[in-house]
Amino acid sequence: GENVEQHPSTLSVQEGDSAVIECTYSDSASNYFPWYKQELGKRPQLIIDIRSNVGEKKDQRIAVTLNKTAKHFSLHITETQPEDSAVYFCPRGGGNKLTFGTGTQLKVEL
Amino acid sequence: DSGVTQTPKHLITATGQRVTLRCSPRSGDLSVYWYQQSLDQGLQFLIQYYNGEERAKGNILERFSAQQFPDLHSELNLSSLELGDSALYFCASSAQGAGNTIYFGEGSWLTVV
Repeated sequence: GENVEQHPSTLSVQEGDSAVIECTYSDSASNYFPWYKQELGKRPQLIIDIRSNVGEKKDQRIAVTLNKTAKHFSLHITETQPEDSAVYFCPRGGGNKLTFGTGTQLKVEL
Repeated sequence: DSGVTQTPKHLITATGQRVTLRCSPRSGDLSVYWYQQSLDQGLQFLIQYYNGEERAKGNILERFSAQQFPDLHSELNLSSLELGDSALYFCASSAQGAGNTIYFGEGSWLTVV
């Protein structure tokens, strides 16, 4: 099955700084690389995704980059704001078993 | 609003009891996923159905079972409940399989006392 490593597990940044979260995967079968954000007590929501035929995708302050050779993909958040504080997940799926894991707890401090 | 509907939103029950959580997927979605989220264990995949058939199984306990009905809604049955089953249970749906965006419901908060 799919083995996913996400790091760091916790990340604290000052408001306005950038944050980077990385995921390393083992299974190349899936060509879909999403990032989900979950605020406290709420449902996970897709914030950005990328297909393996694209190396980078940007949406305002967030971007995802994919390195297929190294088998890792990263989430970049620029100009962080307090509302960016949440848990971020990079789910991977072997077949239909979409695994989310424990995610990265991002805290943006004022 | 994701379009995925879960009921009940909150449920308190006693140990040893049985509960049923219900999920209606987004219109047109054939896949339904169930996840369990407790404080220290992240978002754990339980099971996935596609058009009425089981497609993938995670760390779902034998005391738990699920099914997807012809109208595509799904139910997760939790029996012989233990204190450790207290968690937020999410249902999610997608058009097809795991290579597509999945959309989560608001979750069902289960408290076992």
